[in-house]
Amino acid sequence: DTGVSQDPRHKITKRGQNVTFRCDPISEHNRLYWYRQTLGQGPEFLTYFQNEAQLEKSRLLSDRFSAERPKGSFSTLEIQRTEQGDSAMYLCASSMDREGLETQYFGPGTRLLVL
Amino acid sequence: RKEVEQDPGPFNVPEGATVAFNCTYSNSASQSFFWYRQDCRKEPKLLMSVYSSGNEDGRFTAQLNRASQYISLLIRDSKLSDSATYLCVVTGVTYKYIFGTGTRLKVLA
Repeated sequence: DTGVSQDPRHKITKRGQNVTFRCDPISEHNRLYWYRQTLGQGPEFLTYFQNEAQLEKSRLLSDRFSAERPKGSFSTLEIQRTEQGDSAMYLCASSMDREGLETQYFGPGTRLLVL
Repeated sequence: RKEVEQDPGPFNVPEGATVAFNCTYSNSASQSFFWYRQDCRKEPKLLMSVYSSGNEDGRFTAQLNRASQYISLLIRDSKLSDSATYLCVVTGVTYKYIFGTGTRLKVLA
């Protein structure tokens, strides 16, 4: 399967714990995005990378959240001191600009539940 | 006001019906437009890009109206398998996607 992959698919944690999610983009894609989706809402942008550079961060990304893409390939999203409000689906997407049209392909997501 | 607005539905339609969804966006500088489909507890999947001249893909037709700042999706001859949430997506000067809340469609036998 050459699509975007995410690991783990599900995570249950207790409030106050740290969690880390991984995303492996489509191999030739240079852009990688993180989104968060809660029930009944569309995904909300968190941050994105072009190669290894983090180019934009949403105000939603508090100082408890950090994302990295150290070698311009896979990315990790870490949430420190989790809160119940962090419970959501965390989606990763990747893209490569083709003729000016940016099409993002999404991974299956990591579903986080904070107890 | 949200940047991208959609009627959340649900739209319940019989098989074979034609159904249309609209989506409005607030930023006149928006550059790219898409419709994604999302099945329950799954990731969004690209349904179609929306071009200025409008475009069609089988039973699906997308239109863009820049003057009124809305995009539309028309589904003809609805199938049971079309039941899903349809997400409107807009991009601005950066590459991030801005999603609507999605419109739920249920096609009934």
